[in-house]
Amino acid sequence: DAGVTQSPTHLIKTRGQQVTLRCSPKSGHDTVSWYQQALGQGPQFIFQYYEEEERQRGNFPDRFSGHQFPNYSSELNVNALLLGDSALYLCASSLASGTGTFFGPGTRLTVL
Amino acid sequence: AQSVTQLDSQVPVFEEAPVELRCNYSSSVSVYLFWYVQYPNQGLQLLLKYLSGSTLVESINGFEAEFNKSQTSFHLRKPSVHISDTAEYFCAVSPSGYQKVTFGIGTKLQVIP
Repeated sequence: DAGVTQSPTHLIKTRGQQVTLRCSPKSGHDTVSWYQQALGQGPQFIFQYYEEEERQRGNFPDRFSGHQFPNYSSELNVNALLLGDSALYLCASSLASGTGTFFGPGTRLTVL
Repeated sequence: AQSVTQLDSQVPVFEEAPVELRCNYSSSVSVYLFWYVQYPNQGLQLLLKYLSGSTLVESINGFEAEFNKSQTSFHLRKPSVHISDTAEYFCAVSPSGYQKVTFGIGTKLQVIP
């Protein structure tokens, strides 16, 4: 049973560019959430998708947007990158009626 | 809204010694409680969770945590640590098993040979 998978593993961008990160949820899961983990910090909730709609959002600007596809996979898009966007981006999946959230290995984004 | 406080940012401990990582939470609603572990350059792995029932929960690798509602705590313990336990540990809460998870700042456990 494959767990949560994310791509790419690492990414380097420059300020002002745009980036797209991808996530496939654990088999059977229908809910995908994205988190940002800056160096030395705990993960911070960005948003959650269920049934292809954004269900809940954290305190992140509109530069952060997402999408969920019919097969439950998801993308996180960040526009107009800032140096402060450098972080580990974690995708997590869960079942809408479930009892736990499972995390992927993350995508390390470096903005120069 | 929920919040999590992990009282120790770093905990050094000698191999085979016991350890306790402290966690307190705040919430206006009932929550599920979790401990996640993060090894260097890796994602988060669920270590154990409290949903309801017995207040003492255990993981497969010897860790246990006890939910204390009156003290709003969920401390993580292990009676004898191993070098391989060196990692960062995050306490977390969620209103349910699938909603937004709120994390603490993390505690780095360093096991000394």
